[in-house]
Amino acid sequence: KQEVTQIPAALSVPEGENLVLNCSFTDSAIYNLQWFRQDPGKGLTSLLLIQSSQREQTSGRLNASLDKSSGRSTLYIAASQPGDSATYLCAVMDTGRRALTFGSGTRLQVQP
Amino acid sequence: DAGITQSPRHKVTETGTPVTLRCHQTENHRYMYWYRQDPGHGLRLIHYSYGVKDTDKGEVSDGYSVSRSKTEDFLLTLESATSSQTSVYFCATAGGGGVAGELFFGEGSRLTVL
Repeated sequence: KQEVTQIPAALSVPEGENLVLNCSFTDSAIYNLQWFRQDPGKGLTSLLLIQSSQREQTSGRLNASLDKSSGRSTLYIAASQPGDSATYLCAVMDTGRRALTFGSGTRLQVQP
Repeated sequence: DAGITQSPRHKVTETGTPVTLRCHQTENHRYMYWYRQDPGHGLRLIHYSYGVKDTDKGEVSDGYSVSRSKTEDFLLTLESATSSQTSVYFCATAGGGGVAGELFFGEGSRLTVL
């Protein structure tokens, strides 16, 4: 059974800092890995998707890496802004089942 | 935006009553999912569908049933609601012409069982 863990559970940083969010998973037989953002009381917004054959994806100030063999992914946020404050969720899709298994998320607060 | 509409968005009901949540999509996506989100547990898969009339269970399917008679609609039914089913329920879809395996989520349905 796939298990996804995110560290840290919460993070507070001053504006302008570069930061890294960590995600680990137990079964390396994945189809893809996805990072989402969730604002309070809202749904999930897809940030980045990395296919199993890829090592990283970039979108603006966000960069996500994938090391399938070690079961790890990181989300790097450059020059953080108060508008980045949200919960960030990591999820993996297994090769056998086209459904995502989620981590519990990292709650990020960027202080102005 | 994948055009996903969940209804109702908010519902308060009493223990023992039946409840149906509806997910409607306009993107002709093949896959549809129901997740629940609870503090400390993240999102957990209840049921999913890989085509009309084709469904399978997720990790927390006890007490829930689903139906998909049309591509665009995926219904989640609680036959007899319990307080442990108080949660926020999210519908998601995947399988359009975009990135393979990318999921799109609705805004959620908040259910309170008294």
